[in-house]
Amino acid sequence: AAGVIQSPRHLIKEKRETATLKCYPIPRHDTVYWYQQGPGQDPQFLISFYEKMQSDKGSIPDRFSAQQFSDYHSELNMSSLELGDSALYFCASSLEGTSGGYEQYFGPGTRLTVT
Amino acid sequence: AQTVTQSQPEMSVQEAETVTLSCTYDTSENNYYLFWYKQPPSRQMILVIRQEAYKQQNATENRFSVNFQKAAKSFSLKISDSQLGDTAMYFCAFMKLQYSGGGADGLTFGKGTHLIIQP
Repeated sequence: AAGVIQSPRHLIKEKRETATLKCYPIPRHDTVYWYQQGPGQDPQFLISFYEKMQSDKGSIPDRFSAQQFSDYHSELNMSSLELGDSALYFCASSLEGTSGGYEQYFGPGTRLTVT
Repeated sequence: AQTVTQSQPEMSVQEAETVTLSCTYDTSENNYYLFWYKQPPSRQMILVIRQEAYKQQNATENRFSVNFQKAAKSFSLKISDSQLGDTAMYFCAFMKLQYSGGGADGLTFGKGTHLIIQP
């Protein structure tokens, strides 16, 4: 079965640079979520989109922005990178409503290292 | 805001034993889902089991089952006949459904329990 695809899998950036992470949800899934997991931490919810509209917002810094496109893929844009942004970034997708189960399926993650 | 508490940072059991991981949560919501996720050393997040709050029957998935006590806001995971491949970090997670339609909120995770299955 198709899974969530994230690219790139690894990314190294310097402080103050910009990074763009991409997420391709499971086909027919209508909701995308972004999470950040620091070393030894639990995942923290950043932002979500349902049918290309922002659905919920968590602890996303103002330096970060995201959107969902017409083909349902999503991008997380991160600017003015800081050392503390080094983390594993997960994208998850789900199918909402009575036809879905609200179960979020996670991609393999993008490991971002800021030097 | 919701909070999820996992009081066991680490547990260790012998292969083939049964183990129970604890999770409690705090919410004023009535319409929500609860999940257990597994994160092995590869760091992939794997959905283990789901429980809808409106269902009284406890969810089961093969060797995995939950004990959902809504009034007590408790949601424990039982793993039967544990296997070496069950060694992983286990996260309990809460998700609130949106009343206005258009999906659900993001997951709120507990701090996790590191489960080690000994041969």
